[in-house]
Amino acid sequence: GENVEQHPSTLSVQEGDSAVIKCTYSDSASNYFPWYKQELGKGPQLIIDIRSNVGEKKDQRIAVTLNKTAKHFSLHITETQPEDSAVYFCAAGGDNYGQNFVFGPGTRLSVLP
Amino acid sequence: EAQVTQNPRYLITVTGKKLTVTCSQNMNHEYMSWYRQDPGLGLRQIYYSMNVEVTDKGDVPEGYKVSRKEKRNFPLILESPSPNQTSLYFCASGRPSMSNEQFFGPGTRLTVL
Repeated sequence: GENVEQHPSTLSVQEGDSAVIKCTYSDSASNYFPWYKQELGKGPQLIIDIRSNVGEKKDQRIAVTLNKTAKHFSLHITETQPEDSAVYFCAAGGDNYGQNFVFGPGTRLSVLP
Repeated sequence: EAQVTQNPRYLITVTGKKLTVTCSQNMNHEYMSWYRQDPGLGLRQIYYSMNVEVTDKGDVPEGYKVSRKEKRNFPLILESPSPNQTSLYFCASGRPSMSNEQFFGPGTRLTVL
């Protein structure tokens, strides 16, 4: 089955700096790679996703890159703000909705003012 | 307001005492799922349902039961809870025909003594 690793487990950056979180996956059949943000006391919320036919996707300060050959994908947050502080989860899955959908262990991001 | 609700939000119980965690969504989503979140392990899928009366096991189904008698509700049942089921539980829903995004509830923190 799919196995997703995520690094680092914790990350502290100064406000205004960039943050990068990296994930690797094992199943070459996976073709959908979302990123979820979990704020304290809340459920995860989708912030951006990418499919295997695309190498990069950007939404304002957030971007995701995918390298299918190397089986890794990354989340990039630029100009970080205190409200970006949260736990971020990557995930990998296939065409079957909800099935074989595996989350990484999470990265706790702290943006220091 | 479109949302996924879970009840209770917090529960402390004892080993062997049957309990049910309810989940309800008001978005007419076909797909619903239960996850447990443990430190360092991310979110692991317990059970999911693609539609009414259709349920399937996820990665960690042992010790849990579910039912999907109505589209909006997807209760999680622990027939005989054990301390290793102490965890943070999330319900999620989605509409496969439109997107892969899953919408998560606020979570239920369960402690089994």
